Amino acid sequence: QVQLVESGGGVVQPGKSLRLSCLASGYSFRSYGMQWVRQAPGKGLEWVAVLWYDESRSYYADSVKGRFSISRDISKNTLYLQMNNLRLDDTAVYFCGRDSGVRSSRLDNWGPGTQVTVSS
Amino acid sequence: AIHLAQSPSSLSASIGDRVVITCRASQDVNIGLTWYQHKPGKTPKVLIYDASILESGVPSRFSGSGSGTDFTLTISSLQPEDFATYYCQEFTGDRFTFGPGTKVDFK
Repeated sequence: QVQLVESGGGVVQPGKSLRLSCLASGYSFRSYGMQWVRQAPGKGLEWVAVLWYDESRSYYADSVKGRFSISRDISKNTLYLQMNNLRLDDTAVYFCGRDSGVRSSRLDNWGPGTQVTVSS
Repeated sequence: AIHLAQSPSSLSASIGDRVVITCRASQDVNIGLTWYQHKPGKTPKVLIYDASILESGVPSRFSGSGSGTDFTLTISSLQPEDFATYYCQEFTGDRFTFGPGTKVDFK
């Protein structure tokens, strides 16, 4: 059974850093791309970042480019999102998702999410 | 960057109604379009990928169509469990933008 569990969220001041983790189990972690998606309070889903299944490519939303970094540790079956220089508008629930898609994004499994609150 | 517009932004419908949601991309995305259903307190669920392929386990009352810039999600006969917010997501290789969502609630 595929399972994704995020951790690492919390309350942080503007300009500080935070690293989110997403522990994957129940499937071959190295064989799938992964995405981070967030949802701010009262807002819709916002795509944040993607890591290709073979780590050959990673891309970011314009809103986080240059501040966030996606990576993974296959030995730990864990996906990461390093978030630097956090801003108030980064406050959101952050989800990791397994991407099974080839010609389109297909996030067929999601974690329950972790809350990130940026506040002074 | 590609922009996705969904319409309507919200709609009220009754059980058994046929519901159509559209997603328009600002540039050609070919068939790189996915539809998700999201209920409060739950994680999003993929309904349709590659614009028209029904995800395994999703009821056949859901269907998707379109290519290029114009796409539709159709629910042929709305059921109580279908009240949710629906999002489209595009894939053009370096962006995976979501649309703003369409909230479907009970009339």
